[in-house]
Amino acid sequence: GAGVSQSPSNKVTEKGKDVELRCDPISGHTALYWYRQRLGQGLEFLIYFQGNSAPDKSGLPSDRFSAERTGESVSTLTIQRTQQEDSAVYLCASRPAVSTYEQYFGPGTRLTVT
Amino acid sequence: AQSVTQLGSHVSVSEGALVLLRCNYSSSVPPYLFWYVQYPNQGLQLLLKYTSAATLVKGINGFEAEFKKSETSFHLTKPSAHMSDAAEYFCAVSDRRGGSEKLVFGKGTKLTVNP
Repeated sequence: GAGVSQSPSNKVTEKGKDVELRCDPISGHTALYWYRQRLGQGLEFLIYFQGNSAPDKSGLPSDRFSAERTGESVSTLTIQRTQQEDSAVYLCASRPAVSTYEQYFGPGTRLTVT
Repeated sequence: AQSVTQLGSHVSVSEGALVLLRCNYSSSVPPYLFWYVQYPNQGLQLLLKYTSAATLVKGINGFEAEFKKSETSFHLTKPSAHMSDAAEYFCAVSDRRGGSEKLVFGKGTKLTVNP
């Protein structure tokens, strides 16, 4: 079946511009996560959705970062006024409601801020 | 708070040799533990998981890991390395506080397999 998809796969933007990253989770997965992977680092948690609500936003690094989810499906991560330190791979993952606890990851969006 | 330490950011083995990637965790509750593999320019793929059943867990591609509570370890092994095993490996613990089950990852170990 279809896995988690993300778009775009690559994004190059100028410092100060806004960007939107999209995630399409596996159909029927109610839990959705965003993570960030900076060069040479592990993955950092950003935000968790259960359905369309985000009960855990504790990983968002600043108020320039926001995310939403609609229809218990697609999620968009928005970064406003991008900075060079925002350059990273942004990974989305989803998990079914009846949890076997593992998360299924998309291929990521590589964001480069110039 | 949950945390994961992976000893060795780079590990190099010869083809056919034993692979041992080390992971130690810290968790205030009984942990759920995972190993993921990341091939270049790809997302993460689950290798195996421990969720309080058998302490020796077998995964895909011949990998296995043993949960040792006394040592707070969850090391990943494979008896005989293949060239195709070259990738980055991440150990993670599920943060079960608050209900999110978000994953807390180690910094990763890059495995090189030499012919």
